[in-house]
Amino acid sequence: DTEVTQTPKHLVMGMTNKKSLKCEQHMGHRAMYWYKQKAKKPPELMFVYSYEKLSINESVPSRFSPECPNSSLLNLHLHALQPEDSALYLCASSQARGRDEAFFGQGTRLTVV
Amino acid sequence: GENVGLHLPTLSVQEGDNSIINCAYSNSASDYFIWYKQESGKGPQFIIDIRSNMDKRQGQRVTVLLNKTVKHLSLQIAATQPGDSAVYFCAENTDKLIFGTGTRLQVFP
Repeated sequence: DTEVTQTPKHLVMGMTNKKSLKCEQHMGHRAMYWYKQKAKKPPELMFVYSYEKLSINESVPSRFSPECPNSSLLNLHLHALQPEDSALYLCASSQARGRDEAFFGQGTRLTVV
Repeated sequence: GENVGLHLPTLSVQEGDNSIINCAYSNSASDYFIWYKQESGKGPQFIIDIRSNMDKRQGQRVTVLLNKTVKHLSLQIAATQPGDSAVYFCAENTDKLIFGTGTRLQVFP
């Protein structure tokens, strides 16, 4: 099983809403990642978790709040987003941080209205 | 700082021809590179990787070449097929996975 599962696939939210993106993997990977991808651009790293601890925050605004409840799950809590935050949000995992291939989920297409 | 970039934004090839996608990087300490394929509406899909102790690695119909002297790597796809149409990213994974700008491969009959 080399699958990373993201839910929901699509999400439309208002600027005052609170929502969460979810990511799950059962490959025993100990590193998990959140990326943001705008149209026609490469994925941009947001957060890295290593052994369930946040190890990298790429200066992401506090309206994005990551959480790693256990080694298989990764959440991204969203609050008070702006329309420019609309993008494809990708989750990925790898055996360890920085040394192995990362497997990506299909992403959550987020639209902020 | 880290900078992984691509030379060409779009590459058009005829079905059956070989494709070559190039990528330059600036961090001479980079020692692990990955090529990803991303189809429309999907997440990036791992194609092949290479570590700095190698200069060539082959997979099924794909070959990655690494030239550390000029900090350049390339992805070669043999006998390109319509299903190869996608955006291809090189990525550096030394401490964190950083993507280059991407090349769109278009395959025409």
